[in-house]
Amino acid sequence: DAGVIQSPRHEVTEMGQEVTLRCKPISGHDYLFWYRQTMMRGLELLIYFNNNVPIDDSGMPEDRFSAKMPNASFSTLKIQPSEPRDSAVYFCATQRGQGTEQYFGPGTRLTVT
Amino acid sequence: GENVEQHPSTLSVQEGDSAVIKCTYSDSASNYFPWYKQELGKGPQLIIDIRSNVGEKKDQRIAVTLNKTAKHFSLHITETQPEDSAVYFCAALGGGADGLTFGKGTHLIIQP
Repeated sequence: DAGVIQSPRHEVTEMGQEVTLRCKPISGHDYLFWYRQTMMRGLELLIYFNNNVPIDDSGMPEDRFSAKMPNASFSTLKIQPSEPRDSAVYFCATQRGQGTEQYFGPGTRLTVT
Repeated sequence: GENVEQHPSTLSVQEGDSAVIKCTYSDSASNYFPWYKQELGKGPQLIIDIRSNVGEKKDQRIAVTLNKTAKHFSLHITETQPEDSAVYFCAALGGGADGLTFGKGTHLIIQP
């Protein structure tokens, strides 16, 4: 298996633009998590899905952030409009079943200027 | 919900010495405690984990200990090598939770 796939790996955009981050989970994994990592706040859970259904989005910082999982093979995290404070590394992680090992993707480094 | 504290934030040791990273958790119902290693430019990767019915687990130079009474767990790396330099995260799975709560991470530096 190729592991969790994220794209793009790097994204540089201007303030106010829309940004879409993509994740392809490991086949058969029924949980998908979106994290944001910064030096100041560490790894923050933004939202997670179980069987394509959003379960907990309490970590989503603002209405500017939205996430979808239209099918078991694909998820997106969208920021509209983007702001400089959104600059961070965004990780997608998936797991098979509750309370099992999470597999992380390589991350997307987002820079908003 | 679960809260995980991790110390120290930075740890520098001489190559060949041992390194110990400590974490505490708040939810007494937590039952799964993994440790992740994150190298520069990569996502965190699981290196060892322990469940609450076990007090210690070892895998070559890496060991994890768990004290349920005190609600803390530790990562021990012996005979450290340059490739051990990375950021290490502890995590805990709270009772009834689907996902992990992570500590803030420890930047481990191995001095040659």
